[in-house]
Amino acid sequence: KNEVEQSPQNLTAQEGEFITINCSYSVGISALHWLQQHPGGGIVSLFMLSSGKKKHGRLIATINIQEKHSSLHITASHPRDSAVYICAVKNGGATNKLIFGTGTLLAVQP
Amino acid sequence: EPEVTQTPSHQVTQMGQEVILRCVPISNHLYFYWYRQILGQKVEFLVSFYNNEISEKSEIFDDQFSVERPDGSNFTLKIRSTKLEDSAMYFCASSVQQNTEAFFGQGTRLTVV
Repeated sequence: KNEVEQSPQNLTAQEGEFITINCSYSVGISALHWLQQHPGGGIVSLFMLSSGKKKHGRLIATINIQEKHSSLHITASHPRDSAVYICAVKNGGATNKLIFGTGTLLAVQP
Repeated sequence: EPEVTQTPSHQVTQMGQEVILRCVPISNHLYFYWYRQILGQKVEFLVSFYNNEISEKSEIFDDQFSVERPDGSNFTLKIRSTKLEDSAMYFCASSVQQNTEAFFGQGTRLTVV
């Protein structure tokens, strides 16, 4: 079983729609990251959070530590939001490594 | 805005050859990482590096792999004798501290033929 599961795997939305991508994890964590990967391959960090909620522009990330679940929301989606969105967790303890989910491929159509 | 820089962006090499992938982390960062992503698969951790030594490595990071910080700015990943299955996108990342946000480079696409 994967330690980090994302849903959905693929998502197609119309421009302007509100989008939610979900992440569930099975390990204890010290932090959770949301990352964006464009077709060229580069990875951009969107959020790092360990509790509560963070907002940056049209992006909102929430985490529920008790339920081991996080969501990434995109408000007023735009075609330029089309990308793979990846959830990654950092185990608690001395480890530095990130454990990645398989990603959610988002396509926003005009 | 400071960024992690990786070179080359794409490298093609013959099986059995040595390759060195280069990274320039963000200047005030102390923790450095290599990850890889085989085409169609999720990103996997390879190694983390702090204070001029490996702090953690995965099972993937066997004797064929090594990392080095040869000077104050570069961080390199060497694969001694490449195999076909080493073909992947390799990402360098850095962070200020262990539990702070990691910033990723654009990746090096390695193709072993």
